[in-house]
Amino acid sequence: AQKVTQAQTEISVVEKEDVTLDCVYETRDTTYYLFWYKQPPSGELVFLIRRNSFDEQNEISGRYSWNFQKSTSSFNFTITASQVVDSAVYFCALSEAAGGFKTIFGAGTRLFVKA
Amino acid sequence: EAQVTQNPRYLITVTGKKLTVTCSQNMNHEYMSWYRQDPGLGLRQIYYSMNVEVTDKGDVPEGYKVSRKEKRNFPLILESPSPNQTSLYFCASRFGTGSYNEQFFGPGTRLTVL
Repeated sequence: AQKVTQAQTEISVVEKEDVTLDCVYETRDTTYYLFWYKQPPSGELVFLIRRNSFDEQNEISGRYSWNFQKSTSSFNFTITASQVVDSAVYFCALSEAAGGFKTIFGAGTRLFVKA
Repeated sequence: EAQVTQNPRYLITVTGKKLTVTCSQNMNHEYMSWYRQDPGLGLRQIYYSMNVEVTDKGDVPEGYKVSRKEKRNFPLILESPSPNQTSLYFCASRFGTGSYNEQFFGPGTRLTVL
């Protein structure tokens, strides 16, 4: 069965600190897709990144970077030099290629960045 | 502007009074889905639809109905709402039928059932 675990419920950092949000997943499928979404205080959900199970290359986009490790079933998200605007709830999600079209979300990690 | 719209945005109702939350997308997406967001539980999928007249249950379908008569619309129906359905609801759509595309979310509907 699919499962996504975001063990960090809340994280609080001071501006300019680096912070890593953890995501651990479970799946029996060999082909699957992992996503990160951001939910700022305004409430909307915004797509950040997608990674498929065959692509373990890490990705960097500005201050954001993602580390995908199949060996540990993790897809962690790092924000470098955090800013107040990064304050949000971040969700990790998993979709399998076979056996249905469900998407499983983690419980989310609320990030507070203090000035 | 490409978007997913939901109405109403806020709704307070009483137990047992049937209600419908509408969802519409203008991106010609095949896939549409409903989620509910509850503290500590993240987003949980209620129903999804691969295309017109094709719907299936997500992880928490009890107490909800959906229909997909047109590609752009995917209403969520609560025939007899109960207080445990008080939640924040999101509609989403995505292009194609594969699992690899990201979802576009509506602004959310905050429902309170008294």
